[in-house]
Amino acid sequence: QVQLVQSGAEVKKPGASVIVSCKASGYTFTAYYIHWVRQAPGQGLEWMGWIKPSSGTTQYEHKFQGRVTMTKDTSTSTAYMELNSLTSDDTAVYFCAREFIGAAAEDFDYWGQGTLVTVSS
Amino acid sequence: SYVLTQPPSVSVSPGQTASITCSGDKLGHKNACWYQQRPGQSPVVVLHEDTKRPSGIPERFSGSSSGNTVTLIISGTQAMDEADYYCQGWDSSAVVFGGGTKLTVL
Repeated sequence: QVQLVQSGAEVKKPGASVIVSCKASGYTFTAYYIHWVRQAPGQGLEWMGWIKPSSGTTQYEHKFQGRVTMTKDTSTSTAYMELNSLTSDDTAVYFCAREFIGAAAEDFDYWGQGTLVTVSS
Repeated sequence: SYVLTQPPSVSVSPGQTASITCSGDKLGHKNACWYQQRPGQSPVVVLHEDTKRPSGIPERFSGSSSGNTVTLIISGTQAMDEADYYCQGWDSSAVVFGGGTKLTVL
């Protein structure tokens, strides 16, 4: 069955960096984009960007450009999201989700379980 | 930047019909979808391509699309439908989410 399994919760100090991983299984990793979405406590969903695992091509939401890097390891079917220069505003649950490349639906049909990142001094 | 507008909250009585709207200038250009998110859980897609229901989603979930507005309709609303609902659209190849609507089943 399709699964996106994310790494565990993180606690970071302001100014630090965090890397969240998303390990895919049950499907062809390179056939789907991996998107990253975050949700601050009590807030809505915020899209951060996507990576195309077959090529490594990325697109980032303008707000995060210069501070986020999305990468992949096709040998382990794992996507990574690194966020730098953390502030308390980055405290959120971070989700990965997949989108079938070339599909008419253009939706995220499977999501990871979420990773809580807490930024606190 | 591109904005999708949803009402913050909608209330409905059990068995009645709930409608949640999502408005945005570019909704007519590309497909939109809807996600349900229950507390502490990951979102689940309940409609895609504006009005189509993915497999496994109950028939009481349906949608409509007109101009720059898409609408999620839940017929015969059940207590288990109480959740946050988000529309999602596109600004070229960038994803945009609506602000979310809290559906309360009274």
